[in-house]
Amino acid sequence: AQSVAQPEDQVNVAEGNPLTVKCTYSVSGNPYLFWYVQYPNRGLQFLLKYITGDNLVKGSYGFEAEFNKSQTSFHLKKPSALVSDSALYFCAVRDMRGMIKAAGNKLTFGGGTRVLVKP
Amino acid sequence: DAGVIQSPRHEVTEMGQEVTLRCKPISGHDYLFWYRQTMMRGLELLIYFNNNVPIDDSGMPEDRFSAKMPNASFSTLKIQPSEPRDSAVYFCASSPQGLYEQYFGPGTRLTVT
Repeated sequence: AQSVAQPEDQVNVAEGNPLTVKCTYSVSGNPYLFWYVQYPNRGLQFLLKYITGDNLVKGSYGFEAEFNKSQTSFHLKKPSALVSDSALYFCAVRDMRGMIKAAGNKLTFGGGTRVLVKP
Repeated sequence: DAGVIQSPRHEVTEMGQEVTLRCKPISGHDYLFWYRQTMMRGLELLIYFNNNVPIDDSGMPEDRFSAKMPNASFSTLKIQPSEPRDSAVYFCASSPQGLYEQYFGPGTRLTVT
């Protein structure tokens, strides 16, 4: 079964400190992994994705994520957090169940991690 | 590009009334998804379309929910009759073939009293 887990409901960090949001996955086959951010009263915004290639993926707003196959993880990171990074973050994996062409863009989302960056 | 457009942004209705939510996907995207988000249940996929054809509606909670995509630039999600437990934020998202990431609209906040 395809699934992602975000073990932390909330992450608190001081502004200027490094931010890490954890995600682990379980898939059959090669994982296609994604991170999204949701600001209050807004839709989800795509941050970055890992399909293949370099294990360190860079995305929007200074975020990056590291794909680790042996640990089945795809943690989101930012070297220096800003108060404006306070939001809800979702990890997602491409859902390959059924392996039919039309299922190719379906994503399975984690439960979300709320990030609070304090001044 | 205007992004995914949803209307209305807010809807307040009484129990038993019909509710229709609308979505215009990004031009050229082959996939369209309807999601529901609540505090209790998080983000749930209701149904998705590929080239205007419904592919998976297993997430549609009951027969009271229906969705259509009459053409590549328009989709509706209808609830009839509505119930208070349908109160949630409903998101539409679209995605291009081969790129996999989805682009979300701003959502419709539905309140059923």
